[in-house]
Amino acid sequence: AQTVTQSQPEMSVQEAETVTLSCTYDTSESDYYLFWYKQPPSRQMILVIRQEAYKQQNATENRFSVNFQKAAKSFSLKISDSQLGDAAMYFCAYRSPSGGGADGLTFGKGTHLIIQP
Amino acid sequence: DAGVIQSPRHEVTEMGQEVTLRCKPISGHDYLFWYRQTMMRGLELLIYFNNNVPIDDSGMPEDRFSAKMPNASFSTLKIQPSEPRDSAVYFCASSLWTSGYYEQYFGPGTRLTVT
Repeated sequence: AQTVTQSQPEMSVQEAETVTLSCTYDTSESDYYLFWYKQPPSRQMILVIRQEAYKQQNATENRFSVNFQKAAKSFSLKISDSQLGDAAMYFCAYRSPSGGGADGLTFGKGTHLIIQP
Repeated sequence: DAGVIQSPRHEVTEMGQEVTLRCKPISGHDYLFWYRQTMMRGLELLIYFNNNVPIDDSGMPEDRFSAKMPNASFSTLKIQPSEPRDSAVYFCASSLWTSGYYEQYFGPGTRLTVT
């Protein structure tokens, strides 16, 4: 079974600065999907960014980018120019390619991101 | 689109009572997922359906939990009898193949408190 580990229960960053959230995972599969989800206090789960394992290029979405290291099984999220609205729980998630890529997600325990004004 | 709809948003019940959580997926989506979120265990997949058929229920904690999807627009998660350790936020999500992959859209969750 796949596992996802987020080793930072909480991170704090000054507004406008850059922060990196760490995620490692364990799998024997060669192809898979990785995701970062944001959960603000409203508890709504919001997809931030996704990465297909077969793609070498790191995904980027505006101020959010990932550092995907397949050999190291590492998938970190970098948030540039942090804003107060970025304050939330962030979850790293893994999805197997079996079932056509429609399987359920395996989540890490989350990182609570605090933005200092 | 209204997104994934879950009801109720909050449920408080006494131990031993039956609880039914409801989910309406996004129209046209062919996969539906139930997740549970607790402080101790984080977010866990309970069960998922494809075209109304349960595909994987290995995450269902015990026989007290059951899930059904009688049609493409409705699913229920039932707990009978409920116990205090069932207190959690329960999320429903649905997905559809779009732009080369399946993206899951989450509902707002139901916060269940069992006293």
